[in-house]
Amino acid sequence: KAGVTQTPRYLIKTRGQQVTLSCSPISGHRSVSWYQQTPGQGLQFLFEYFSETQRNKGNFPGRFSGRQFSNSRSEMNVSTLELGDSALYLCASSQRQQNTEAFFGQGTRLTVV
Amino acid sequence: AQSVTQLGSHVSVSEGALVLLRCNYSSSVPPYLFWYVQYPNQGLQLLLKYTTGATLVKGINGFEAEFKKSETSFHLTKPSAHMSDAAEYFCAVVSGGYNKLIFGAGTRLAVHP
Repeated sequence: KAGVTQTPRYLIKTRGQQVTLSCSPISGHRSVSWYQQTPGQGLQFLFEYFSETQRNKGNFPGRFSGRQFSNSRSEMNVSTLELGDSALYLCASSQRQQNTEAFFGQGTRLTVV
Repeated sequence: AQSVTQLGSHVSVSEGALVLLRCNYSSSVPPYLFWYVQYPNQGLQLLLKYTTGATLVKGINGFEAEFKKSETSFHLTKPSAHMSDAAEYFCAVVSGGYNKLIFGAGTRLAVHP
C-alpha cells in the first residue's frame, strides 16, 4: 500500500506570492490533516478534513486555507507569503474519523525569500 | 485542553546504553498517546501508540512505552541504543475527539560510539 504522498518536496517562493501544496492520503483514508513545522514553533496543527469537510482549524491567519476532494486528496494554499511562512509542511492521513494514529508524508519544504 | 511536555530537548547516550525519553501529558479525558520519530529531512514515522488496554506498549525498532495515569506520563524506552536510533522523537496526544495531534517540543537523541 502506498504511503502518504506530498508534492512538491521542495519549493522556493518570493514574498507576496501564493503557493499550493498537494497531499494524496493512503488509499481508504478519509481524514487528512496538515501541520507546519518550524525550529521556533515546533509542530503546529493547521487543519483537518474528513469527507471533504473541514472539521478543525488551528490558530493560523486566514491566508492559510485548504480543501479536500471527493477522492480524499487534499490541497493547502497559502496566499501573500511572508518570510515567516518558511517551514516544513506535513500532511497526515488517518483511517478512521477520530482518535486514530496519523501516517505522515515526507513533507514539503517551503522557503520564502 | 490537552498538552504535552517532553523533558529534555537533547539526550545523548552511548551505543548499547538504555534510552529513556520523557513525556508528560495533560488531558481532561482519557488520552490517546503516540510516539513519532523523525529523521533529517523526513516526515514523521509512528513508533507506537496507546489507546486503551495494556499500559505497556511495544513498538517498532525495539522501543516501548508505559502509560502511567497516576503520573500522567508516557515515557519511551529502549534497552540498548543503536547508532541508527539517532533522530528526533515527538510525543503526541490526540485532541478533542478528532484526529488533531498535539505535539511536544521534541527530543533530539544522539547516540555516540
